[in-house]
Amino acid sequence: EAQVTQNPRYLITVTGKKLTVTCSQNMNHEYMSWYRQDPGLGLRQIYYSMNVEVTDKGDVPEGYKVSRKEKRNFPLILESPSPNQTSLYFCASSLRNLAGHRYEQYFGPGTRLTVT
Amino acid sequence: DQQVKQNSPSLSVQEGRISILNCDYTNSMFDYFLWYKKYPAEGPTFLISISSIKDKNEDGRFTVFLNKSAKHLSLHIVPSQPGDSAVYFCAASGAGTYKYIFGTGTRLKVLA
Repeated sequence: EAQVTQNPRYLITVTGKKLTVTCSQNMNHEYMSWYRQDPGLGLRQIYYSMNVEVTDKGDVPEGYKVSRKEKRNFPLILESPSPNQTSLYFCASSLRNLAGHRYEQYFGPGTRLTVT
Repeated sequence: DQQVKQNSPSLSVQEGRISILNCDYTNSMFDYFLWYKKYPAEGPTFLISISSIKDKNEDGRFTVFLNKSAKHLSLHIVPSQPGDSAVYFCAASGAGTYKYIFGTGTRLKVLA
């Protein structure tokens, strides 16, 4: 089954304790991205990756890191989490845009993170 | 500065009637627009998209209209069904970019 998986689905942690949220897709997609969803703010893009070893900032990258060492995986790293990073996080993937053709993203089920 | 706006946080519609969800954008460089549907405890799922070279795209009960001069797009669902009850997000992207800007979402409730 084609899917994007995220782990963990729920996480409660304390301020300053480094954490990683994993994301994996089995569709051989080149493009992957991380979003956070907050009430009244919708979905905001954190980072995205066009392919292995190619990443770029989205609209809200502060406090986050990413890496893309393998095509299927795109982990989100919070080196020193703070309470304002409490949010619902989504990973997404898609085929890479080709000239004249754009592709929709497939989203994972979400990770609810609480930082106390 | 919210580049993509969904000004109606919620909408209630009777089953069988038309649902119209609206989205406005400010960036004239956006050339590709998408609608996603989201159920509670799930990730968003793609619904329909439209390129700026078109003004309408249909897929079954779902039609998206794009008015470039007004920087406005709308999603029409006809007929609406109770299973359509969800939060709907519009999103926009510019040519040559991989950045996506989402709206804040509209919660649609279809009443049986």
